Parts: sequence; structure tokens; C-alpha cells
Amino acid sequence: DQQVKQNSPSLSVQEGRISILNCDYTNSMFDYFLWYKKYPAEGPTFLISISSIKDKNEDGRFTVFLNKSAKHLSLHIVPSQPGDSAVYFCAASVGGGSNYKLTFGKGTLLTVNP
Amino acid sequence: GAVVSQHPSWVICKSGTSVKIECRSLDFQATTMFWYRQFPKQSLMLMATSNEGSKATYEQGVEKDKFLINHASLTLSTLTVTSAHPEDSSFYICSARDQNRYTGELFFGEGSRLTVL
Repeated sequence: DQQVKQNSPSLSVQEGRISILNCDYTNSMFDYFLWYKKYPAEGPTFLISISSIKDKNEDGRFTVFLNKSAKHLSLHIVPSQPGDSAVYFCAASVGGGSNYKLTFGKGTLLTVNP
Repeated sequence: GAVVSQHPSWVICKSGTSVKIECRSLDFQATTMFWYRQFPKQSLMLMATSNEGSKATYEQGVEKDKFLINHASLTLSTLTVTSAHPEDSSFYICSARDQNRYTGELFFGEGSRLTVL
């Protein structure tokens, strides 16, 4: 049972436009959500996160929105740049104690066309 | 941000040999490190949680005798793939939490590409 789902395996956007990456989750115990960016043959790089007590977090061109009632979060990138082309992973965690672990979605390949 | 380094980044070995991958947190201490495996076009799958000074916790379906994990210090965890076979070929990634900040994010190493011939 996949607890974190990214239903779009790929997304193509024109440079300068907005990229919207979506993520759904099923575990209502998740209390922290993160987005990672990954280039081929490299480890993921942390991008932005949001606590379950918030519904929005913004960092430069990146904004993450959380809709707890719908168990849905999204990452907005605006304006999109060709260098943003990568695989984006949504991840979620429960708590911060000894049982801490991240559960990842399958990722969405974003391609930003010049 | 915090830096996690993995070594080697790329290794080819013969079937039946063992391969060790190191994961180091360079500028912070990590009582807990995580080992992930990624197959092509698939998500990151957590293999095990490495705890400093104690035994690792393995996820269901991961053979602990095949994937030996040692976390001898607060900055180093190792994954040894024992008696490697071609089906063990994969991209292995380690990650660590900075125990001095609770913001939830993990910092990942660069990954290690293992190819077993």
C-alpha cells in the first residue's frame, strides 16, 4: 500500500510558466511533508517542507501548499527555469522520535523547456 | 545545508564478492542514518535505519545478513552488500538527520551505483 502517491510520472512546462507538482497521501498521521529534487545519479536534495499545522510555505520561487482535509499537497515553481528539470519526490514523515522515517512517492519528472 | 558524503560513488564487482559503501555526515552528528535503494524509474525504498552504537532496524523484506549495516560513530555508517549478485545492482543512497535540529528533512549522500557482473 503506497502511502504517498505522485500520480503524474512526468510534467512538461515552458520556461517562465508555473510548474505544479501534486502529491496525495493516505496516512493521516503524517505531520511533516517535504519535497526533494533529484538529478540522475545523484542523491536527492532537500527543497522545501511544510508542517501539518500550516497550509502554505514559501521559499523564493518555490511554494508548497497543504490541504489536510483532502490529504493533498502541491509544489508550485514560478517562474520555471530549465535548471529546474529534474525528478521531484514528495515525502512525508510521522513524528521526530526514534521511529522517524520518511516515506517517498515515486517521483515526477519535470521538464522545463526553453 | 548539512553535508552527507558517500563513497564510492560507483563500483563494479564480480558476483559473489562483497562491497562496502560508506556514508559520512561531514559537518554534523547523526545518531541515525538511513539507507535507501532506488531502482530505475522507481521511488526511493527505505532498506534500513542505522542507529549509532546499536543494531540496525531493517525494513520488511530486506535481508539483514545480506545487507550488513554498521554505525560505529556519530558521523559514519557503512553498508556492506555481501556475496553480491546481479540482482543487487542498484543505486544505493544514504541519508542522515541533523540531530540538533528538528525540521524533519534528511540530508542525502550523492549515492553509490553498484553494478554486479
